[in-house]
Amino acid sequence: TQLLEQSPQFLSIQEGENLTVYCNSSSVFSSLQWYRQEPGEGPVLLVTVVTGGEVKKLKRLTFQFGDARKDSSLHITAAQPGDTGLYLCAGAASGTYKYIFGTGTRLKVLA
Amino acid sequence: EPEVTQTPSHQVTQMGQEVILRCVPISNHLYFYWYRQILGQKVEFLVSFYNNEISEKSEIFDDQFSVERPDGSNFTLKIRSTKLEDSAMYFCASSETGGITEAFFGQGTRLTVV
Repeated sequence: TQLLEQSPQFLSIQEGENLTVYCNSSSVFSSLQWYRQEPGEGPVLLVTVVTGGEVKKLKRLTFQFGDARKDSSLHITAAQPGDTGLYLCAGAASGTYKYIFGTGTRLKVLA
Repeated sequence: EPEVTQTPSHQVTQMGQEVILRCVPISNHLYFYWYRQILGQKVEFLVSFYNNEISEKSEIFDDQFSVERPDGSNFTLKIRSTKLEDSAMYFCASSETGGITEAFFGQGTRLTVV
């Protein structure tokens, strides 16, 4: 069974601080997505990474896919209250038609 | 911007009743998915659908569940004889191709079984 573990589970930081969220698995994924979910709403896609070692930037967010395609990280620079939410990673294994979601990291940025 | 739309946004049903959750995927997408999220828990894969048949399903997707693409635009999830533990947010998603590309999610249907 493929599992994606995210850490930390909860994170509460002050506005302006930097943070990193990790997504780890023992399985190899052909692609990995990061989503953000607000309460009562569906996950909203932030980015997809496909190549081992790939780094993508989305404004203050930097996403990295591990060289072995088993893990990923999301780094937020100078966090803002608007970054508050549940961050989810989801991996797709080669030859499957499903995305396995991580356990989620709930981020709260205090003004 | 194209989006996945789901109806209804909230459904309350009596235990034992059948419910149909509806989704309109993004028009040029070929793969469709249903996921669910029980309150406070992680998003769980239920089923993927391509070319008018199920391509993959999880152990959650038992005989109680079925999916259908009744016409060119809708994608439905039917839950027969609902149980209390079926209460969850159900998300529909679609992607251009399976696996390697992004999946776009709808806003979800909150199903409450009483």
